[in-house]
Amino acid sequence: EAQVTQNPRYLITVTGKKLTVTCSQNMNHEYMSWYRQDPGLGLRQIYYSMNVEVTDKGDVPEGYKVSRKEKRNFPLILESPSPNQTSLYFCASSFGLNTEAFFGQGTRLTVV
Amino acid sequence: GQSLEQPSEVTAVEGAIVQINCTYQTSGFNGLFWYQQHAGEAPTFLSYNVLDGLEETGRFSSFLSRSKGYSYLLLKELQMKDSASYLCAEGAGSYQLTFGKGTKLSVIP
Repeated sequence: EAQVTQNPRYLITVTGKKLTVTCSQNMNHEYMSWYRQDPGLGLRQIYYSMNVEVTDKGDVPEGYKVSRKEKRNFPLILESPSPNQTSLYFCASSFGLNTEAFFGQGTRLTVV
Repeated sequence: GQSLEQPSEVTAVEGAIVQINCTYQTSGFNGLFWYQQHAGEAPTFLSYNVLDGLEETGRFSSFLSRSKGYSYLLLKELQMKDSASYLCAEGAGSYQLTFGKGTKLSVIP
């Protein structure tokens, strides 16, 4: 089954404790991206990747890192999480920018 | 980045037709998407328009006017399961995809 898999689905952590949210897709898509979704603000792009070892900042990259060492995986790293990073996070993949994006199930992160 | 404007909420009656509008900045425009998102779930793709005109897929249609920077999503024969948020999104020439804040559609009996 074609899918984008994020883990974990839910995470509660403390300020400053490094965490990684994993994202994996099995559709051989070149383009992957991370979004956060907050009430009243909608989906905002954090980082995106056009292919292996090629990444770039989206609209809200501060406090986040990404890597794309393999085509299928695109982890999101929070080196020192803060409460303002409490949000619902989505990973997405597609063949290109102007094609249908497939989203993961979402990761609800709470930083206390 | 680009900005897209859509109404925050719309209410419509089951069986009726509803139109959800989206306006966007035309510079660097490279296509307009519509996604559906049920509460607590991931967005799912509905349509993509890059040329002017109307695209129909079952009960859903999407319209684009590039010169006016305007799109709408038309939902016919509304069903209760259509209650969801509808997101328009723009690919703006780079690899960034920018979403509007979404329109929450409530379908009432």
